[in-house]
Amino acid sequence: DAGVTQSPTHLIKTRGQHVTLRCSPISGHKSVSWYQQVLGQGPQFIFQYYEKEERGRGNFPDRFSARQFPNYSSELNVNALLLGDSALYLCASSRQNSYEQYFGPGTRLTVT
Amino acid sequence: AQTVTQSQPEMSVQEAETVTLSCTYDTSESDYYLFWYKQPPSRQMILVIRQEAYKQQNATENRFSVNFQKAAKSFSLKISDSQLGDAAMYFCAYMNRDDKIIFGKGTRLHILP
Repeated sequence: DAGVTQSPTHLIKTRGQHVTLRCSPISGHKSVSWYQQVLGQGPQFIFQYYEKEERGRGNFPDRFSARQFPNYSSELNVNALLLGDSALYLCASSRQNSYEQYFGPGTRLTVT
Repeated sequence: AQTVTQSQPEMSVQEAETVTLSCTYDTSESDYYLFWYKQPPSRQMILVIRQEAYKQQNATENRFSVNFQKAAKSFSLKISDSQLGDAAMYFCAYMNRDDKIIFGKGTRLHILP
């Protein structure tokens, strides 16, 4: 089975722009979580979605939003980009009622 | 709020030797999970080992084992027979029933040939 996939791998945006990051979970996994990893730090939880419903939200501003589609893939949207949004964005998927999350390779976002 | 603390930003170990990475956490929950993740330069976060808090027996996965001290809220990782491929960032992580993983800041492990 394919692992968690994320696209794009890298992207560069300018301050004030908007960005959409995409994630496809492992087949059979209905839960998707998003994490932000700033250089030199551990990942920080942004969102969790299960069955297209938001189940959890971390301490991030309203500029960050996400959604999950009927095929369980997910998008993370960030509006009005700031320099501080530069980070590796990780997506993780898991089965229902499983504590084990499987991570994708991440999207490296650079805001200039 | 739950927190995870890794007090060793960097560590080095000679190839084939044993190294222990430290982690402490804070929680008021009694039911939770603890993990060690490895993140090599490729960025892929890989689960190394997991421990359920209700299990007293320390988890072991081949050369990797943990020392779980629930009362002390300590969760250290021991890597035996260190190999060059073990070089990476190691993150200690906590998760309770809300499925949100809380990570420490990481320990960069260098393997010396």
